[in-house]
Amino acid sequence: QTLVTQEPSLTVSPGGTVTLTCASTTGTVTDDYSPNWFQQKPGQPPKSLIYSSSNRHSWTPARFSGSLVGGKAVLTLSGVRPEDEADYFCLLHFGTAQLVFGGGTKLTVL
Amino acid sequence: EVQLVESGGGLVQPGRSLRLSCAASGFNFDDFAMSWVRQLPGKGLEWVAGISWNSGRIGYADFVKGRFIISRDNAKKSLYLQMNSLRAGDTGFYYCSKAQSGAIKTGLTDWGQGTLITVS
Repeated sequence: QTLVTQEPSLTVSPGGTVTLTCASTTGTVTDDYSPNWFQQKPGQPPKSLIYSSSNRHSWTPARFSGSLVGGKAVLTLSGVRPEDEADYFCLLHFGTAQLVFGGGTKLTVL
Repeated sequence: EVQLVESGGGLVQPGRSLRLSCAASGFNFDDFAMSWVRQLPGKGLEWVAGISWNSGRIGYADFVKGRFIISRDNAKKSLYLQMNSLRAGDTGFYYCSKAQSGAIKTGLTDWGQGTLITVS
């Protein structure tokens, strides 16, 4: 069974920088896995932040950036704001038509 | 503005069936792949199933294969999920989501508000 792993929780100070990672039990994450990143706040549906590894949507603040580093998909938040406190999920594509979410990272801004 | 409105959720007994619908508006529905995603109470997101723009490619999560069927009607701008043999572990919110393009792999760009299914 394919698993996608993320840090369960991270804490960052306002104004700081934090890196969230997304790894696959199948091996190195590449562009072929089409990594996506989502933000979810309590009581709300998820919101797409990054698609295809590093592409922002028009609504995605510039302080969010996606990349591939060390065989993992990475979401970097720079200049963190209190409103960035949320759950963050990555999504990877496998095979011909299967998507798998990571377990999510609870980001605390403190 | 992209709008996705799910319906069909509710309380259902174990072993019974339910059909979810998602009405789409604000974009050319037949150009985009669509997916269903669920969130069990207090848990993370689980991709359930996806369908390409022309229904030529369909995929399912391992945990639903054989029980759920995803389909779409481009003329009606609607996405469906037929859920059979429901279990208590299927209880949760079910979201309809639009991909970035016609292929399932391009992610989940827009989301509906979700519909709650309770199996009890």
